[in-house]
Amino acid sequence: DAKTTQPPSMDCAEGRAANLPCNHSTISGNEYVYWYRQIHSQGPQYIIHGLKNNETNEMASLIITEDRKSSTLILPHATLRDTAVYYCIVRIQGGSEKLVFGKGTKLTVNP
Amino acid sequence: DSGVTQTPKHLITATGQRVTLRCSPRSGDLSVYWYQQSLDQGLQFLIQYYNGEERAKGNILERFSAQQFPDLHSELNLSSLELGDSALYFCASTQGGGGYTFGSGTRLTVV
Repeated sequence: DAKTTQPPSMDCAEGRAANLPCNHSTISGNEYVYWYRQIHSQGPQYIIHGLKNNETNEMASLIITEDRKSSTLILPHATLRDTAVYYCIVRIQGGSEKLVFGKGTKLTVNP
Repeated sequence: DSGVTQTPKHLITATGQRVTLRCSPRSGDLSVYWYQQSLDQGLQFLIQYYNGEERAKGNILERFSAQQFPDLHSELNLSSLELGDSALYFCASTQGGGGYTFGSGTRLTVV
């Protein structure tokens, strides 16, 4: 079973920031938080991951609370092409542990 | 192009038949994972191979089998097909460090 809890759906206006929350209250000290997204029927796409510090890349920012029990994925300027299902996953980095997907959050970006 | 190649992209077959789905992982990736995604369902892990050996099994039916060859490509064999096997089948690969790379999937329709 997935170790994370996400809202089933969210809406965001085009050009505004999209903030997607994720709860992972049982996360272990050596588990990272990963975010993937799946645009309709395409293969999931890696977005970002982090352990305890905030992370930023060209796609998004990841904010992890100090107690690491929750995190927020931020898409700074959402576009229509960001409409997708976003998955928050916790796993140990390294090794070859499988990804366990939950139901994710369906983000709809509206014009 | 993610670097993970899946063929064929679409497959239509009749109940009771057998099909083979193929996956070529990203260059250098030793681990291959297979996932099934039925209509409006989440991504279900089926099986993982690492450098030719089975590493982990998920909710894979006995009618399904897989293997990974010396050149690291993998095949997922589905036999005695039923209508309920209609789904998207994704392959992913990783070197074991950070993100996983998914292919674009094979859409299987059983009629």
